[in-house]
Amino acid sequence: EIVLTQSPDTLSLSPGETATLSCRASQSVSDSLAWYQQNPGQAPRLLIYDASKRAAGIPARFSGRGSGTDFILTISSLEPEDFAVYFCQHRGNWPPLTFGGGTKVDIK
Amino acid sequence: QVQLVESGGGSVKPGGSLRLSCVASGFSFSDYYMTWIRQVPGKGLEWVSYISNTGSTMFYADSVKGRFTVSKDNAKKSLYLQMDSLRADDTAVYFCAVNLRYSYGYFDYWGQGALVTVSS
Repeated sequence: EIVLTQSPDTLSLSPGETATLSCRASQSVSDSLAWYQQNPGQAPRLLIYDASKRAAGIPARFSGRGSGTDFILTISSLEPEDFAVYFCQHRGNWPPLTFGGGTKVDIK
Repeated sequence: QVQLVESGGGSVKPGGSLRLSCVASGFSFSDYYMTWIRQVPGKGLEWVSYISNTGSTMFYADSVKGRFTVSKDNAKKSLYLQMDSLRADDTAVYFCAVNLRYSYGYFDYWGQGALVTVSS
C-alpha cells in the first residue's frame, strides 16, 4: 500500500506570503495525485487533480507540480481564506484510496 | 445544484450498530459510483468504502471489512452505510463523496459529514 507523507505538519505564514507544501509518496504514483483544502467544520474541497490541474472555480494562486514520488502545492500570495488544512490524495488502482496526514497553514 | 446530505449519525455503545444515509440531488445518481470517507476530529482522512453506480460492486477498507456494509438505492437517490460491531476507533465524522467531473478516484462533491461517536 502506498503511503503519502506530507510536510511540514504546520506552516506559519502571513497573508501575502507564498506557501509551499510537500507530499511524498512511498513509491511512484505517476501523476495520480490530488490536493484538497479543508476549513474547520467543513468537508474537504478539491483544489488540484492529476498533480497539476486546477479544479473548477479554484483561483490561479493555487498550483501543483510533481510526478513520481514528489509533489508540491504552492499557494501564491496567501489570502485570509487560505489558512486551512491541506491534504494530498492518491487515487491509483484503489481500493484503497490513500491520503496524506495533512499540513496546516496558519497565520503567523 | 449538487447536494449530498448525510444523516443518521449519533452516539452508540461499543458493539452497537448505526446506519448512515446520504441523499443526493442535482445529478444523475444512478450514473455515478460513490464513496464513504471518514475523519477522526482533528485528524486525517481515511477512505472507508466504495460502491459502483449500479450498486453491484463494493470495496471496503481493511479496518471495516466484515463489519460495515455499503448500499445504494438509485430510485431514492440514496447511499447507505450500515455499521455493525462498532468500536471506539470508529468514532469519526463520516463523509459521502462523489466524482462528477474528473479522473477516476478524485472527489469534487462531499456531504457535510455525520458524526459517529462510539463510547461506553
